[in-house]
Amino acid sequence: SSELTQDPAVSVALGQTVRITCQGDSLRSYYASWYQQKPGQAPVLVIYGKNNRPSGIPDRFSGSSSGNTASLTITGAQAEDEADYYCNSRDSSGSYVVFGGGTKLTVL
Amino acid sequence: QVQLQESGPGLVKPSGTLSLTCAVSGGSISSSNWWSWVRQPPGKGLEWIGEIYHSGSTNYNPSLKSRVTISVDKSKNQFSLKLSSVTAADTAVYYCASVVVPAGHPYYYYMDVWGKGTTVTVSS
Repeated sequence: SSELTQDPAVSVALGQTVRITCQGDSLRSYYASWYQQKPGQAPVLVIYGKNNRPSGIPDRFSGSSSGNTASLTITGAQAEDEADYYCNSRDSSGSYVVFGGGTKLTVL
Repeated sequence: QVQLQESGPGLVKPSGTLSLTCAVSGGSISSSNWWSWVRQPPGKGLEWIGEIYHSGSTNYNPSLKSRVTISVDKSKNQFSLKLSSVTAADTAVYYCASVVVPAGHPYYYYMDVWGKGTTVTVSS
């Protein structure tokens, strides 16, 4: 299996743009999906596939990928975006599933 | 829209077996989704436990494989998790989730619906 690596913490000023990254060998084959988790709540899918948002997710959330790195970008971060963000994909073998360690986003 | 609800004992004794069920409503467990279990120890990140397809095919986290069994009950529209020989390290919030791998997009993988989670504590 492979691992997905995320920065533990990132901060952004209110209204500014922030990029959260996820690195791993599996991302050369599989698209990452991204989840937002607020304290005491279950994770919520925010981005999947090439750059797809589930219904109800604001369009300030977007995704991209290059090589072994996937990115989640929040354009014009809002206070309610403060949360933990996790990336996820199948591993390189296709038989297992891996999560990144999570990134704690602080909106200043 | 599919909804998921975990249920099971909140307290399990060390060396015992943790058993949880995830009830699926608003959709059929025999759909084209996989069904997954994920856990989160207190203050830590998400850990994938394993998944099952309605046909019974399973994939497990290699680090837990020797202790995990995931099964599906089509008649009750639910799937279950059993984790044996538990220790305090298995204390966590356990989530069930619906997994989508769209036809024609084998390199997509995402968990579109999650249960609210259930807390399991391993303690004597």
